[in-house]
Amino acid sequence: KNQVEQSPQSLIILEGKNCTLQCNYTVSPFSNLRWYKQDTGRGPVSLTIMTFSENTKSNGRYTATLDADTKQSSLHITASQLSDSASYICVVPGSGGYNKLIFGAGTRLAVHP
Amino acid sequence: NAGVTQTPKFRILKIGQSMTLQCAQDMNHNYMYWYRQDPGMGLKLIYYSVGAGITDKGEVPNGYNVSRSTTEDFPLRLELAAPSQTSVYFCASSYIRGQAQYEQYFGPGTRLTVT
Repeated sequence: KNQVEQSPQSLIILEGKNCTLQCNYTVSPFSNLRWYKQDTGRGPVSLTIMTFSENTKSNGRYTATLDADTKQSSLHITASQLSDSASYICVVPGSGGYNKLIFGAGTRLAVHP
Repeated sequence: NAGVTQTPKFRILKIGQSMTLQCAQDMNHNYMYWYRQDPGMGLKLIYYSVGAGITDKGEVPNGYNVSRSTTEDFPLRLELAAPSQTSVYFCASSYIRGQAQYEQYFGPGTRLTVT
């Protein structure tokens, strides 16, 4: 069964610290992996899309890595800010069609002052 | 551009009532989607549309209906609401032209409670 698993479920860090969120997927065949940020009470917003040929991709203080061999991805947040408090969702297109996305449950990040 | 808009933001329904969740996009996207998000779970696809007049079921379509009469609008209809339909509903859109890499843009969501 196609699945996307994320860890940890939740995380608390102090402002200015770094953190890394993990994503494991079992979807096959694999075409791309996305990370979304979802603020409380809002819809998800895309942070990055990585194809199977990309190992690393950055978007400001967000850096995503991908290991297509082990089917693992991580999202590293550098010098966290209070505005980084949100859920971070890992998403992979399912085998039913690349427009049918499979969403992980997300990691809820809280950045405290 | 307003992007993807949804109405209402909140709604409380009694069991057995019906309602329509509205979704509109002004980006001329061909694909539109409806998802539901339950606490602690990933978003689940309810229905999607590849263009005006064409819709198809997603992972969890039971209890819902959709229509796509125009490119801009994609309403979701709940008939005979049940407590299991208590959720947050997100509409999304994207422009797909053969490529696998594309953005999905999400609306702000509708929080629905059925009691």
